[in-house]
Amino acid sequence: DIQLTQSPSFLSASVGDRVTITCRASQGISSYLAWYQQKPGKAPKLLIYAASTLQSGVPSRFSGSGSGTEFTLTISSLQPEDFATYYCQQLNSYLPYTFGQGTKLEIK
Amino acid sequence: QITLKESGPTLVKPTQTLTLTCTFSGFSLSTSGVGVGWIRQPPGKALEWLALIYWNDDKRYSPSLKSRLTITKDTSKNQVVLTMTNMDPVDTATYYCARIRITMVQGVYFDAFDIWGQGTMVTVSS
Repeated sequence: DIQLTQSPSFLSASVGDRVTITCRASQGISSYLAWYQQKPGKAPKLLIYAASTLQSGVPSRFSGSGSGTEFTLTISSLQPEDFATYYCQQLNSYLPYTFGQGTKLEIK
Repeated sequence: QITLKESGPTLVKPTQTLTLTCTFSGFSLSTSGVGVGWIRQPPGKALEWLALIYWNDDKRYSPSLKSRLTITKDTSKNQVVLTMTNMDPVDTATYYCARIRITMVQGVYFDAFDIWGQGTMVTVSS
């Protein structure tokens, strides 16, 4: 089965910081990757799909890049509402739609 | 406005079968390029994809749970039903349904779970 490994698992940062979260796939998935944000007690929210396409309504400070086995989610300038847990998910239809283990972004 | 809502029992006993219903509005499962999936999240843990069904009745299952899962759709009622057999305490989790949308980006089709339900907590205990 395909594995998605996110790093770091925990990240402490301040408002205004630029942060990057990495998602590594155990096999190549082209650009079939999405990123989600989840706040405590809430359902996940789609941020990015196709590795780098911003979902409608998502602030432009969020961006995604990568292809193959290595992907990144970048938040250019952290806002208070961005402190949450972030998940990557692979969506290559030949493989299970696996999620990464999550990255919890906390306020420093 | 697109909404999805999960319904089902909050408590099931070990070995029982869980039946969850996702009732949605604002889109139709007879429309090309959409589907509905199920995802769960044990308390304090990561998301786990379970199953999905597309408008054309194509079904996909998590390999690790495939033998226990069945997903069906009722297009006329705007509902998708997931059944999971032989429930165990480790299946205690919040269960979400979500719309899957297929979008073309630079000539290639990509899936994404774009709209999620609020989730329903299911506890497995005797």
